This record gives sequence, structure tokens and C-alpha cells, in this order.
Amino acid sequence: GALVYQYPRRTICKSGTSMRMECQAVGFQATSVAWYRQSPQKTFELIALSTVNSAIKYEQNFTQEKFPISHPNLSFSSMTVLNAYLEDRGLYLCGARDWGEETLYFGSGTRLTVL
Amino acid sequence: QQQVRQSPQSLTVWEGETAILNCSYEDSTFDYFPWYHQFPGESPALLIAIRPVSNKKEDGRFTIFFNKREKKFSLHIADSQPGDSATYFCAASGAGNTGKLIFGLGTTLQVQP
Repeated sequence: GALVYQYPRRTICKSGTSMRMECQAVGFQATSVAWYRQSPQKTFELIALSTVNSAIKYEQNFTQEKFPISHPNLSFSSMTVLNAYLEDRGLYLCGARDWGEETLYFGSGTRLTVL
Repeated sequence: QQQVRQSPQSLTVWEGETAILNCSYEDSTFDYFPWYHQFPGESPALLIAIRPVSNKKEDGRFTIFFNKREKKFSLHIADSQPGDSATYFCAASGAGNTGKLIFGLGTTLQVQP
């Protein structure tokens, strides 16, 4: 079956520091990877969409300078939250899908706490 | 502007009743409409999905009704069980299989035994 492993599950960082999260797709090719942030109010914000061999597209209010993403192959993607502050708190989710497939498989999420 | 609107924000039903969750969308180019459910502390998981070629999709107790003309779709959960208590998110994406899903704000469902 298709699975997405995301790690770490939880992380705590000091204000102004950075943290990196990673996703590993198993059982399918992660042609597209979407990174979301789920706020405490549960709303999903799309941060960026990455497609292998294409430029990463960031949504409004999110930038590469703040959330650099790497998607080097069909099984792995990572995202870093640079200079994290309180407003960056939340659950970060990666969702991956294969080309031609409809289902977006989510990782378990990385819960970021900023002190 | 919220491209995918979801209602109600919260819903409580008794065990055995049918829960109805509603969504509407703006973009007529959307062609894929999944519902995800999320239990506390877990990531969202795909429950059921539909494409506009159909106006109904069933999977066990879960049914999506789709109205292309009105740009609305709903999730009906028949014979609701306490284990169905979760937050349900509708979503939509456009053509091109880009993986860009736009989510609604969620409906928190509570099924009372």
C-alpha cells in the first residue's frame, strides 16, 4: 500500500531558530508533494506545491526564503521552517501523490512548537 | 476568499442517525472532490471522493451527493456510530493532477451514543 512517513512527529524550537521536517513516500512515486500547515483552528493552508522536475510553487504569504523545500527524487521531500516564531506554530503536513493518481496521501504531520 | 466553503462548523447527531455535511465551491474548473476525516492527534485520511462525471458515490455507510450546476456536494454518513466522531474536511482540486487540494474549514462531528 501507499504510505507517507513524516518525521519528526513533534519538535520544539526556540524563537528565531530553524527546524527541518522530512517526508518519505513508500509504495508509490511522489511525483507531487504538497506542504500544508494546519492552524490550531484546524484550517489548512497550502504552503507550496512541488512537482519533480518543475519549479516549486509557493502560495501567497509563503516564500522560499522562509520555507525552503527540497524534492530531489520520487520518494523524498523536505521542508525547513527558517527563523521560526510564534505565528509559525501548527501542524505541518506533507501530502504526496503519483502522476495520474487522484489520492493525496498525507504523512503523520510534524507538530511545531515555538518557545 | 474561501474557495471551498463547508458547513456546518459543528454537528451533533444521535447514534443511528444520518449525518449530513455540506460543501460548496467557486471554481468551475475543479474536477476532483474528496472528503477527508481527521481524528484528534492524527493526520487527515481520505474517506471517499467523487468526480463530476457522477452525481453520487457510495462506499458503505458513506455517500457523496454532487450537484455540478449548483457547485455543491455533500457527505452523508448513514447509521452514524460514535466511532465516526471526528473532523471532516471537504476539498477540491482542478484539472492537471497537480496535487493542489483546496480544503474547507472542516466540520466537527459528534455522534452521541
